[in-house]
Amino acid sequence: AQSVTQPDIHITVSEGASLELRCNYSYGATPYLFWYVQSPGQGLQLLLKYFSGDTLVQGIKGFEAEFKRSQSSFNLRKPSVHWSDAAEYFCAVGALTGGGNKLTFGTGTQLKVEL
Amino acid sequence: DVKVTQSSRYLVKRTGEKVFLECVQDMDHENMFWYRQDPGLGLRLIYFSYDVKMKEKGDIPEGYSVSREKKERFSLILESASTNQTSMYLCASNRDSTDYGYTFGSGTRLTVV
Repeated sequence: AQSVTQPDIHITVSEGASLELRCNYSYGATPYLFWYVQSPGQGLQLLLKYFSGDTLVQGIKGFEAEFKRSQSSFNLRKPSVHWSDAAEYFCAVGALTGGGNKLTFGTGTQLKVEL
Repeated sequence: DVKVTQSSRYLVKRTGEKVFLECVQDMDHENMFWYRQDPGLGLRLIYFSYDVKMKEKGDIPEGYSVSREKKERFSLILESASTNQTSMYLCASNRDSTDYGYTFGSGTRLTVV
């Protein structure tokens, strides 16, 4: 079965600083990988996804992620964080099952941005 | 834009009550999902449905059932609510098995007292 590990529960960065959120996955085949963001009181919004091809993927809001098969990682990065990026971030791995597909999520990383 | 609507934002129910959480999507999506979100545990899949009247257990189905009588509506049922089912419940949908772009509802925060 697939699984996702997000080793950092909380991260605090200063506005304008760079950001990297870590994600490690476990899956027997080529994974489909995702990053979602959840602002307070909201549902989850898709930031970016990796299916195949270029291992560096660009997403919305200036985020990018790099797939590294040798490290089983899919870390999320942003060169310069804005105060509005404060939220909870979830990494997920997707798999086909039964008649459909399903996502398995990590436990999340809470990002705090200091002004 | 696809919209996934969860009928209640907050619910308070008593132990032993039968509880219905409703979710409706407006874009003819085949697949619908119920997740539970708890601090430190992330999102865990309870049940999902890939067609009308079709359902499949997720990772934590115990204590829950689901109903999908119409394509646009997916209900989560707590047959006899317990305090350990106090949680945030998130509904999601996607187009079909090739589409991993889930659209999530805003969630229902359920408190069982």
